[in-house]
Amino acid sequence: DTGVSQDPRHKITKRGQNVTFRCDPISEHNRLYWYRQTLGQGPEFLTYFQNEAQLEKSRLLSDRFSAERPKGSFSTLEIQRTEQGDSAMYLCASSAAGTVLYNEQFFGPGTRLTVL
Amino acid sequence: QQPVQSPQAVILREGEDAVINCSSSKALYSVHWYRQKHGEAPVFLMILLKGGEQKGHEKISASFNEKKQQSSLYLTASQLSYSGTYFCGTEDNFNKFYFGSGTKLNVKP
Repeated sequence: DTGVSQDPRHKITKRGQNVTFRCDPISEHNRLYWYRQTLGQGPEFLTYFQNEAQLEKSRLLSDRFSAERPKGSFSTLEIQRTEQGDSAMYLCASSAAGTVLYNEQFFGPGTRLTVL
Repeated sequence: QQPVQSPQAVILREGEDAVINCSSSKALYSVHWYRQKHGEAPVFLMILLKGGEQKGHEKISASFNEKKQQSSLYLTASQLSYSGTYFCGTEDNFNKFYFGSGTKLNVKP
């Protein structure tokens, strides 16, 4: 198992464009989280999935943001009509809820988004 | 809802001890501690569940006072490798996670 992977690692886009990020969790992890992190701050919760079901969304997740996890495996996060304020590191994490180390989250390397 | 961490920054000499505090205004199901080095993803250190547990990880341990909704991370005999930003993460009863703004730890030789 190679851990949580994210693609792309870096994305530069122009304001108004749409972007999509992908996260591949650790296999058999049933929970998948998306966070946004800006410089000097802790990760901000965006949303999470239990298998394929999206159970919680943050108020931060405006209607321009959408996330999916078809078949409970990989997940995608799409940002439509990007704004400069969307520039941040987008982190994905997965966990195996229900195990002894309940909800220990393993983070991916992140996708750094720069909106020009 | 974001937990409050203190102090914001700590500078230590190798071998010194430090305590990082985390408090929440909401009832907590669990508290997690992570360390993040510059340019890297956060790495899990430990989790504390309801019940006032104290856990240890090498020379790093933590406590969780459920009634006070507080947790503390204890770093003893710090090493250069301990440098980084430490985040506490709190989970509410709806499985939503909130991370503190972090405590920057700099261990100098």
